[in-house]
Amino acid sequence: KQEVTQIPAALSVPEGENLVLNCSFTDSAIYNLQWFRQDPGKGLTSLLLIQSSQREQTSGRLNASLDKSSGRSTLYIAASQPGDSATYLCAVPPTFGRGTSLIVHP
Amino acid sequence: SAVISQKPSRDICQRGTSLTIQCQVDSQVTMMFWYRQQPGQSLTLIATANQGSEATYESGFVIDKFPISRPNLTFSTLTVSNMSPEDSSIYLCSVAREFDTGELFFGEGSRLTVL
Repeated sequence: KQEVTQIPAALSVPEGENLVLNCSFTDSAIYNLQWFRQDPGKGLTSLLLIQSSQREQTSGRLNASLDKSSGRSTLYIAASQPGDSATYLCAVPPTFGRGTSLIVHP
Repeated sequence: SAVISQKPSRDICQRGTSLTIQCQVDSQVTMMFWYRQQPGQSLTLIATANQGSEATYESGFVIDKFPISRPNLTFSTLTVSNMSPEDSSIYLCSVAREFDTGELFFGEGSRLTVL
């Protein structure tokens, strides 16, 4: 059964820092991996989808990489802003990790 | 993308009652999933809703407690039966157009409070 782990569980950083959020999964036979953002009391917003044949995807200040053989994905956030504060969830559909709670303070 | 409508968006229920949540998608999709998100927690998959057949439940979830229907490719319901305060959660419907490469899309969720 697929298990998804996210490290760190929580992160608090000053504005402007470049961040790396980690996601690992136990079964490398995946179709795709997806990163989401969830603001408090809100639904899920899809950030990036990486197909199993891809190595990375980029959207604005976000870059997600995928290494199937090692069962890892990273979400890189460049030049973090207070508006990036949220919980970031990694999913190997339909399984989710526990998320990384990010606070970016001014 | 897929637009998903969930009803109700929130409800307050009495212990021992049952509530049915509806999920309507704006187009046909292959996969439909139901998740639970307990306060402060991540998403836990309850079941995969299968069109025209019984849902596939994850460990720890049973049909008697969470009966699911999926009469067609755009609609599904989840019932939370004989509710207790421990059932207070957000319940989310999710869909994917394709089984293998499909991106997951989510509804806004249904926030249930059981008194």
